[in-house]
Amino acid sequence: AQSVAQPEDQVNVAEGNPLTVKCTYSVSGNPYLFWYVQYPNRGLQFLLKYITGDNLVKGSYGFEAEFNKSQTSFHLKKPSALVSDSALYFCAVSDNTDKLIFGTGTRLQVFP
Amino acid sequence: DTGVSQDPRHKITKRGQNVTFRCDPISEHNRLYWYRQTLGQGPEFLTYFQNEAQLEKSRLLSDRFSAERPKGSFSTLEIQRTEQGDSAMYLCASSPPNRGNYGYTFGSGTRLTVV
Repeated sequence: AQSVAQPEDQVNVAEGNPLTVKCTYSVSGNPYLFWYVQYPNRGLQFLLKYITGDNLVKGSYGFEAEFNKSQTSFHLKKPSALVSDSALYFCAVSDNTDKLIFGTGTRLQVFP
Repeated sequence: DTGVSQDPRHKITKRGQNVTFRCDPISEHNRLYWYRQTLGQGPEFLTYFQNEAQLEKSRLLSDRFSAERPKGSFSTLEIQRTEQGDSAMYLCASSPPNRGNYGYTFGSGTRLTVV
């Protein structure tokens, strides 16, 4: 069965510092991996995805994620955090069944 | 096209009443998904359609829940005899056949409160 783990409920970082939001996954077969961001009372916005190819994936708003097959991880990163990045971040995995399985989310708080 | 639309944005209903939500996907997307999100949790898969065919239903989708997509365009999710545990955000998403460059596009959701 597919599963996603986001081990941190909340990540706090100062503006201008690099940030990392962690995600590990379990899936049979080749994984399709996604990151979404959710602002209060809104739906989910797509940030980036990994299907195949380069392990470092670049996405929206300066975010990137690194796929590590041996560690079954897909951590989200940004070199320099902004206060406006504060939101709820979800990692998700899909196999060929097409539905997304989401993690429980990590709240990112960027302090000025 | 302005993305995935969901109606209503908010719904407050009394326990035992029936409610129906609507989702209008992006027009060229043939796949449509329903998810439920409770406070502090990630979205949980409920069901999905490819065109008008309902291809998969989660065990979360009890007999009180039914979803339709009669013409392969918009979809409705009905909850009969609502219970307080049904209170959640109901999210709809759509995707093209090959998931496209953006994977799944989500609507803003319908927040259901059962009192």
